[in-house]
Amino acid sequence: EVQVVESGGGLVQPGGSLRISCEASGFSLSTYWMTWVRQAPGKGLQWVANINPDATGKIYVDSVRGRFTISRDNAKNSLYLEMNSLRAEDTAVYYCARGGGSGSVFDIWGQGTMVTVSS
Amino acid sequence: DIQMTQSPSTLSASVGDRVIITCRASQSISRWLAWFQQKSGKGPKLLIYGASSLQSGVPSRFSGSGSGTEFTLTINSLQPDDFATYYCQQYNTFPFTFGPGTKVDVK
Repeated sequence: EVQVVESGGGLVQPGGSLRISCEASGFSLSTYWMTWVRQAPGKGLQWVANINPDATGKIYVDSVRGRFTISRDNAKNSLYLEMNSLRAEDTAVYYCARGGGSGSVFDIWGQGTMVTVSS
Repeated sequence: DIQMTQSPSTLSASVGDRVIITCRASQSISRWLAWFQQKSGKGPKLLIYGASSLQSGVPSRFSGSGSGTEFTLTINSLQPDDFATYYCQQYNTFPFTFGPGTKVDVK
């Protein structure tokens, strides 16, 4: 079965750091752009960051650029999001999705991992 | 950034109804438009891509149309499993942006 599964969410204090992960199965991560999308409680969807198949290209939404880093380990079929200097407004469910290059739709999504930034 | 709007924000309907949701982009996105369905506590599910192409495994009662700045998602003969929130999304230009969502609930 083609799927992605996120993990690593939790409670972190403002200004803190957290790394979340996404493990793919049923397909080879190495041939796809991959994406992180987030959803604040009761709100809509917001694209956060994309990474190209060989990790030479990374794109971020303005609100996280300089604080978040997207990365991947194709050998482990895994995607990561390192989040630093976290703020209350970063509180959200973070979804991993397959796809995301220009013209590439998000066709496989995970169930999400919750990140809560609070003191 | 390209702004996406949807109407209505909430739609009350009955099983068997035909439902139409509209999505507008603030500038032309050609046909780089996707529709997603999301149920409470779940990740989004891709329904339509390229404005009108049905994703594999999605029932044929779902259809999409439009190009440029105006798009529609139609659900023919609404089924109990279709009560959910629907989002449009443009993937023409970074940052990719989503509409605010349309909640389809029971009338």
